[in-house]
Amino acid sequence: QSALTQPASVSGSPGQSITISCTGTSSDIGSYNLVSWYQQHPGKAPKLMISEVSKRPSGVSNRFSGSKSGNTASLTISGLQAEDEAEYYCCSYAWSSTYVFGTGTKVTVL
Amino acid sequence: EVQLLESGGGLVQPGGSLRLSCAASGFTFSRYAMSWVRQAPGKGLEWVSGISGSGTSTHFADSVKGRFTISRDNSKNTLYLQMSTLRAEDTAVYYCAKDMGRLVDTVALDYWGQGTLVTVSS
Repeated sequence: QSALTQPASVSGSPGQSITISCTGTSSDIGSYNLVSWYQQHPGKAPKLMISEVSKRPSGVSNRFSGSKSGNTASLTISGLQAEDEAEYYCCSYAWSSTYVFGTGTKVTVL
Repeated sequence: EVQLLESGGGLVQPGGSLRLSCAASGFTFSRYAMSWVRQAPGKGLEWVSGISGSGTSTHFADSVKGRFTISRDNSKNTLYLQMSTLRAEDTAVYYCAKDMGRLVDTVALDYWGQGTLVTVSS
């Protein structure tokens, strides 16, 4: 149950698009279309942004999109806004009904 | 409105025990799996444990297996985490989170509590 690998930080200017990668293995991301993404602002609880690789829960902006290829999942934020500055975590289903989170990526809006 | 309210955190000595509770409201509690997720100070999220809606199926991260027990009382809409043989590395904010499905198999935790801090120190 090793943590999924994410870049420590990603930055972009307002209006730009950024992509955060999440790399796992054939035992987690590579085996299941069960990847979610969470946004966490400092001192706050995480918020679900994407489920099942690419599904947006009700109320989440369509500027957020998810995808997966092989053992790597990705979250793209388009039209970057100041309010998007936060920590982002991916999460994947692993074997035997366990979940594994990514290492986290700090998004900075320049 | 869905609400999750954790309680039971505090300071405990290494080797000690603690029970966390999570009171749920605003949804049919028994229909959904629940998870505990923790976050050590300044660190990332770590999934700790999950339990099915019926309570018959439980799952644990390797880091807590054999030391933590998860349970639920669907008549009281409450989730529990019994922690024993606590170590310094268990120090974290513990969140309870509602799953979008009945089993621990969606990875979609759509509602979270505000967390309760557990500090393991002598």
